[in-house]
Amino acid sequence: EPEVTQTPSHQVTQMGQEVILRCVPISNHLYFYWYRQILGQKVEFLVSFYNNEISEKSEIFDDQFSVERPDGSNFTLKIRSTKLEDSAMYFCASSERGTGSSPLHFGNGTRLTVT
Amino acid sequence: QKEVEQDPGPLSVPEGAIVSLNCTYSNSAFQYFMWYRQYSRKGPELLMYTYSSGNKEDGRFTAQVDKSSKYISLFIRDSQPSDSATYLCAMKSTGGGNKLTFGTGTQLKVEL
Repeated sequence: EPEVTQTPSHQVTQMGQEVILRCVPISNHLYFYWYRQILGQKVEFLVSFYNNEISEKSEIFDDQFSVERPDGSNFTLKIRSTKLEDSAMYFCASSERGTGSSPLHFGNGTRLTVT
Repeated sequence: QKEVEQDPGPLSVPEGAIVSLNCTYSNSAFQYFMWYRQYSRKGPELLMYTYSSGNKEDGRFTAQVDKSSKYISLFIRDSQPSDSATYLCAMKSTGGGNKLTFGTGTQLKVEL
């Protein structure tokens, strides 16, 4: 069964450093998402992306965050200057369509640890 | 009031038991309801996906939605130790894209 793949599985970085988290969505999916889950808390929406543009973003997704689809297969999340509170699991997801009838499929996440 | 509320558990049941997991919500715009299973240090795995009110069955799993009460349930029949995981409910409204709002998750342990 096709799946969303994310790399790396674990990233450790120092406060203030830039990190790029990478995702390969399911190949026939057109909509891409990033969610995060701080330890012990619920999964939270960050951003949705379609046709090389951000469709929607949450309050969490401030100027320190950016997303990009640099080629036909990868989808990336960049955090420009990491903070301690950015430590979390970051999940990439994709869906065939952007409507409510199209379910999201998630990757296994990247655990980001900011020290 | 939180948009989606879910008892975090943990919930411990013997193998073979029927498990009932529930979420309540406050946003009447939610029309699509999902249950995801999350094993430790893994991503959410889609289990059930329903639209509006009613029941949906898939193998040992049954999802129920009662929009009048703003209440959704997931039932697991003949529970197995491999069902031990955290179960997340998630919801979204029609229109406005595909943004999911999650519950906090219920941790389930099925014991031999």
